[in-house]
Amino acid sequence: GQNIDQPTEMTATEGAIVQINCTYQTSGFNGLFWYQQHAGEAPTFLSYNVLDGLEEKGRFSSFLSRSKGYSYLLLKELQMKDSASYLCAVRGGGGNKLTFGTGTQLKVEL
Amino acid sequence: GAVVSQHPSRVICKSGTSVKIECRSLDFQATTMFWYRQFPKQSLMLMATSNEGSKATYEQGVEKDKFLINHASLTLSTLTVTSAHPEDSSFYICSASDYTGNTIYFGEGSWLTVV
Repeated sequence: GQNIDQPTEMTATEGAIVQINCTYQTSGFNGLFWYQQHAGEAPTFLSYNVLDGLEEKGRFSSFLSRSKGYSYLLLKELQMKDSASYLCAVRGGGGNKLTFGTGTQLKVEL
Repeated sequence: GAVVSQHPSRVICKSGTSVKIECRSLDFQATTMFWYRQFPKQSLMLMATSNEGSKATYEQGVEKDKFLINHASLTLSTLTVTSAHPEDSSFYICSASDYTGNTIYFGEGSWLTVV
């Protein structure tokens, strides 16, 4: 089976940097995804990591260490609109299906 | 713009009736689509994997006769909730990936309310 852990809630200040961690246990790892989800809306794709290292895309970066079963999402220059739930999802066990963590609710404050 | 379109976005139906939700991939072919449901403040739970031209693969605990999935073409999958009950009220979301599988897009989601 698969097990994914991420913090339930985080609070950060506008303009700051925040790191959201995700640890996972899975068989047949085949990629890790990060999504942003605002309340009542569908998830929006942020990043994809399948090899170790850092992937940077604008204000968002995602890091993966397969040996440690660990990933983080880094958000820079936080904006109020970044307040949302951030979902870590792992693809594994064969096929393309994703298993989602419970999500980290990020609140950006002034 | 959206690459996966889902319809309807909101639907209210009476208990005992059936409702169909459509998921379309735009500008790409999706041999595999996925259906999730999400209850408020909870994560997405995979219901089934929809395979074009073959039967869907359901996750443990999901009733295949209640949640009918049809993947008739490479761009369309449908989820039909049969004999709906109030406890079926939820947010249903589909996803699809292109041939690389490196980007998985979600539809806009469908809010189902059974009264």
